[in-house]
Amino acid sequence: DTGVSQDPRHKITKRGQNVTFRCDPISEHNRLYWYRQTLGQGPEFLTYFQNEAQLEKSRLLSDRFSAERPKGSFSTLEIQRTEQGDSAMYLCASSQRDSYMNTEAFFGQGTRLTVV
Amino acid sequence: GNSVTQMEGPVTLSEEAFLTINCTYTATGYPSLFWYVQYPGEGLQLLLKATKADDKGSNKGFEATYRKETTSFHLEKGSVQVSDSAVYFCALIKLAGSSNTGKLIFGQGTTLQVKP
Repeated sequence: DTGVSQDPRHKITKRGQNVTFRCDPISEHNRLYWYRQTLGQGPEFLTYFQNEAQLEKSRLLSDRFSAERPKGSFSTLEIQRTEQGDSAMYLCASSQRDSYMNTEAFFGQGTRLTVV
Repeated sequence: GNSVTQMEGPVTLSEEAFLTINCTYTATGYPSLFWYVQYPGEGLQLLLKATKADDKGSNKGFEATYRKETTSFHLEKGSVQVSDSAVYFCALIKLAGSSNTGKLIFGQGTTLQVKP
């Protein structure tokens, strides 16, 4: 397994356009997380899935954001009508949860979004 | 609510100097504590962890001890190298429990610059 992979690594888009990012987690991991990291700050939680179910969404995730994990494997994060304030690094992480415990999270390299 | 506070950066040291990066936390219950490192242009990598009070996490010469009485998890290294230059994030998570989400709460990060 090569770890968590994210695509693309970099995305430059014009304000108002839609963008979609993809995350492929570690294959045996049932939990997948999305975080956003702005310059000089730590990552902030956006949402997470257990298998294909989206279990929690942060208040940071406005109506313009939608995430899916249709088959409980890869996930996509879409931002509609992008704004300059959406410019950030979007990080994906995965972990394995059994009946009681989580393993630690493993992160991808992130997708850096620049909205111009 | 849960939160993590790190010392402000950047921290600039000469090679072979002693490093301390302070981290304190506020949490309900008994979180697990982590240090993640982010090298330029890369994603987050787990550096070390501690899952209960008085545990010491260690890796690559870095150490941190989970101090419940002072709610701290300070990162230390006896002799830093230029290759340690990176951003360091302290984080907490509740790993155990039937209802935990496994989401990480991060500090704002501390940039370390090591000069030859």
